[in-house]
Amino acid sequence: DTEVTQTPKHLVMGMTNKKSLKCEQHMGHRAMYWYKQKAKKPPELMFVYSYEKLSINESVPSRFSPECPNSSLLNLHLHALQPEDSALYLCASSQGPWGGPGQIGAKNIQYFGAGTRLSVL
Amino acid sequence: DAKTTQPNSMESNEEEPVHLPCNHSTISGTDYIHWYRQLPSQGPEYVIHGLTSNVNNRMASLAIAEDRKSSTLILHRATLRDAAVYYCTAINDMRFGAGTRLTVKP
Repeated sequence: DTEVTQTPKHLVMGMTNKKSLKCEQHMGHRAMYWYKQKAKKPPELMFVYSYEKLSINESVPSRFSPECPNSSLLNLHLHALQPEDSALYLCASSQGPWGGPGQIGAKNIQYFGAGTRLSVL
Repeated sequence: DAKTTQPNSMESNEEEPVHLPCNHSTISGTDYIHWYRQLPSQGPEYVIHGLTSNVNNRMASLAIAEDRKSSTLILHRATLRDAAVYYCTAINDMRFGAGTRLTVKP
């Protein structure tokens, strides 16, 4: 099973709402990622978790709050978003832990979910 | 900033081979080269990876230059289902470059 499951598939929220995106994998992977993708653009890295600890935060605004409760689950909590935050949010996981330079190889093959399409009104 | 360079777009005819180039001149000696593709309305999917030697799998082949500063993803017989954005990553931080949008004509 190489599946990464993201819920919900679609989400519409107002700027004052609080919502959460969920990502789950059961492949025993120890690194999990959040990306944001705008239309016609490549995915932009937001956060990296390695062994359930936050390894990378790409200077993401605090209205996005990641959480990794256990090795299979990754959440992205959303609060007070802006219309420009509307995008496709992608979750990914990889077998190996995040190790920095020289760590990319077979263990860092990323498996992506189908994404959550978020609209902020 | 992404450290890979790919053409913005390429076209191919169905059932013909496609060679998708990627330049990664700042690659370090231990960084692998990964290729992913993103079909419309889907998340990216892994295609192939390699370090120094050429690699083949059921989806594609990867040809890596001897100096490792460039690589080429080869689709041996393009199908309409291969129309996607193809990304190469040869850097150590999982950031995607702009990718190449492949159009396959029937």
